[in-house]
Amino acid sequence: DAKTTQPNSMESNEEEPVHLPCNHSTISGTDYIHWYRQLPSQGPEYVIHGLTSNVNNRMASLAIAEDRKSSTLILHRATLRDAAVYYCILRDSGYALNFGKGTSLLVTP
Amino acid sequence: DTEVTQTPKHLVMGMTNKKSLKCEQHMGHRAMYWYKQKAKKPPELMFVYSYEKLSINESVPSRFSPECPNSSLLNLHLHALQPEDSALYLCASSQVGTGKGGSPLHFGNGTRLTVT
Repeated sequence: DAKTTQPNSMESNEEEPVHLPCNHSTISGTDYIHWYRQLPSQGPEYVIHGLTSNVNNRMASLAIAEDRKSSTLILHRATLRDAAVYYCILRDSGYALNFGKGTSLLVTP
Repeated sequence: DTEVTQTPKHLVMGMTNKKSLKCEQHMGHRAMYWYKQKAKKPPELMFVYSYEKLSINESVPSRFSPECPNSSLLNLHLHALQPEDSALYLCASSQVGTGKGGSPLHFGNGTRLTVT
């Protein structure tokens, strides 16, 4: 599996935007970029995914670099409920979704 | 609430016991997954079923035995477990077909297993 690199932790103030980076320099042409988050005591939750173009949904935006070697998950206005571990995962055409260490996001009031 | 339901939420079992974890989804997904998550670690993939057939086994010890009796149900049978098998066991489901690399996984909230 192609690997991703994320900061171990990040901190944000409530109601401010948050940019969570992910590096994936060995990404292949068929790898999708997935983001999931896991709140305390819950299973992982799908956030967003993309292949080449930037993506927006009700939860977040995903900005993908032109060379696809990095991406950024954007939470437009962080709330306390967004405190979680955020995982950036590359997934090819197969079924496997393999989690890395993720970024622990702390949101302070 | 999630669309993937796992039971029980908590389970304590001895090393000589036999128990089963159950997972159910009614989203019409034909791929189902088992993950294991130790405290403060990321989830680790164990098994994947596609169209009720085992597609991926990540070299999981035989004391863990998965079963997919129909398209909505996934079981994990446990026998002769060790204390180090104590963990959160997560079930997930997703669509299949072309472009499945882009199909999101839907996770349950897991069964917290303690082996004594």
